[in-house]
Parts: sequence; structure tokens; C-alpha cells
Amino acid sequence: SQKIEQNSEALNIQEGKTATLTCNYTNYSPAYLQWYRQDPGRGPVFLLLIRENEKEKRKERLKVTFDTTLKQSLFHITASQPADSATYLCALGSGGSYIPTFGRGTSLIVHP
Amino acid sequence: EAGVTQFPSHSVIEKGQTVTLRCDPISGHDNLYWYRRVMGKEIKFLLHFVKESKQDESGMPNNRFLAERTGGTYSTLKVQPAELEDSGVYFCASSQDLGFDNEQFFGPGTRLTVL
Repeated sequence: SQKIEQNSEALNIQEGKTATLTCNYTNYSPAYLQWYRQDPGRGPVFLLLIRENEKEKRKERLKVTFDTTLKQSLFHITASQPADSATYLCALGSGGSYIPTFGRGTSLIVHP
Repeated sequence: EAGVTQFPSHSVIEKGQTVTLRCDPISGHDNLYWYRRVMGKEIKFLLHFVKESKQDESGMPNNRFLAERTGGTYSTLKVQPAELEDSGVYFCASSQDLGFDNEQFFGPGTRLTVL
């Protein structure tokens, strides 16, 4: 069955460092992959979308890579700040679907 | 511009009771989606409206769940009768257009607790 894996353990890093979050998937051939941010008591907020034919996407301090051979996406936040502390969700979708399938998310905690 | 709003923010009911959740999408957004996150699990799709029509309801768990969007504006999701396993956070989202590259804007969610 299709599976999306994100590290269930929180990632703790120091302010100013680069945070790297991982999203692995199995039994899936996604056409696109999305990353969302979710704060406690709030809904997910869309951050970035990367298509299967794209290797890398950047937006300000964010960078996403998509390796369809490894079946993995990496999400980087450079020069991290305490305000970046949140849960980050990856979501995948097939070409014919506009409804993404979500992972459980990884909590990021940036310490001042 | 107001975002997606949901009401109530929290609801605690007893098993067997009925609960109705409401979602007001961003004005002008024809597409409205319901999702649910059960404790410890991932967010899962329930259904999708285009205006007042149900486009996809493949994620609805069973016939105890009824979603409506009369007039193509706000939507309601009724659970009747509620069971313990219905507890979770129900999210509503809306988008202007259809397609995976059209951003879905999520509401803050309604936390439902069934005792």
C-alpha cells in the first residue's frame, strides 16, 4: 500500500542553522509533492509545490528537492529562526488528482 | 481578505448525538474541501464540492456523515449519530480553481471530541 513517511521525532536545531526535513514514500509515483506548515490550533498553510520533473525549488529561505529515484523529498530552511518552529507536512499527489495525500508531519523546534 | 472560517472551534458531544460543523470558504472560491485528522494519524480527504455539487466524496467514511453546500457558499458537515472514532480535527479548505497547482487555503479546524 502507499506510504508516506516523515520523521515522527521532533527536529531540534539552533537558530541560524539549516533545518532539513525528510519525506520518503513507497508504492507511489507522485506527479507532484507539496510542503505545508502547520502551527498549533491552525490549519496547514501551503509553502511550496515541486513537480516530478523538477529536481529543486526555492522560495526565499526555503528549498525543496525531489528525487524520484530515491523516492524522497528534502525540505530545507536556511538561517532558521525561532519563528520557523512548527510542524511541516509533506503531501503527494498523482497526475490525475488534485487531492494530495498527506504525511503525518515532522515538528521543527528552533532554539534561540 | 478574510480566510476560511470554521465553526465551532471545539465541540464535545456524547456518543449517539448529532453535531453539525460549518465552513465558510474564501469569498469567490468555488472549490470547497473537507479533511479530517484523527489523533496520531495523517490528514485525510473527505470530500470536495464545486459550487453546490459534490465532485468527489470518496473519502467519506460512512453514511453517518452528510455534507451539504446549499447555494454554493458555506458548507456544513453533519455527523449523525456520532461514534467515538469520529473524534478528531475537521479541516475545511477552499481554492479558486481546480488543479494541484492551485493552492488550497485551510481553515483553523474544528476539534470534535466524542465521549
